[in-house]
Amino acid sequence: NAGVTQTPKFRVLKTGQSMTLLCAQDMNHEYMYWYRQDPGMGLRLIHYSVGEGTTAKGEVPDGYNVSRLKKQNFLLGLESAAPSQTSVYFCASQKRRGRGNQPQHFGDGTRLSIL
Amino acid sequence: GENVEQHPSTLSVQEGDSAVIKCTYSDSASNYFPWYKQELGKRPQLIIDIRSNVGEKKDQRIAVTLNKTAKHFSLHITETQPEDSAVYFCAARIGMEYSGGGADGLTFGKGTHLIIQP
Repeated sequence: NAGVTQTPKFRVLKTGQSMTLLCAQDMNHEYMYWYRQDPGMGLRLIHYSVGEGTTAKGEVPDGYNVSRLKKQNFLLGLESAAPSQTSVYFCASQKRRGRGNQPQHFGDGTRLSIL
Repeated sequence: GENVEQHPSTLSVQEGDSAVIKCTYSDSASNYFPWYKQELGKRPQLIIDIRSNVGEKKDQRIAVTLNKTAKHFSLHITETQPEDSAVYFCAARIGMEYSGGGADGLTFGKGTHLIIQP
């Protein structure tokens, strides 16, 4: 049972380059999220999706785009990477809430360095 | 939006003693409060969560308490062991169904580095 899988695990980019981070989940969860984690800052929400074909902005969306073409995949794109985007990126998924809140399940993270 | 404050940023306790980490939140609409443990280089792992309709929840050596009036919640770890050493994050979430606007993700505190001294 893979859960939430993120690819790649590590990447180094030059300023101005573009790339896409992939998140895949096999739990049939409706909700998916992208967070970034910086030292001393905790995790901050970048974008999220509550279903296939829908996305919404989180706390720190600038410089990122996302797409949810398939329910199991959530892509995070950097069109023109900047050093300020050096971070560890975590994807999470969550079952749609019914009468109660559901926990979020995290992937192993992608460590991204922008030179 | 929601704001979560977490204290202390570093906590050092003797093995076998108890550890307490405290968080406050700003939005009274928040109704779900999870705690995550993160070891170095690993993913955050959910260790316990509490919903706003209960005041306390316990799971073996770990307990969480919630005071909705004061808008704060705490993590209690008893009989600490070396493997409890990690960074712990509290979080809060507003319990509204998605309506096309507003964040539906978790708002995290900045973390507490718990060190268990042998």
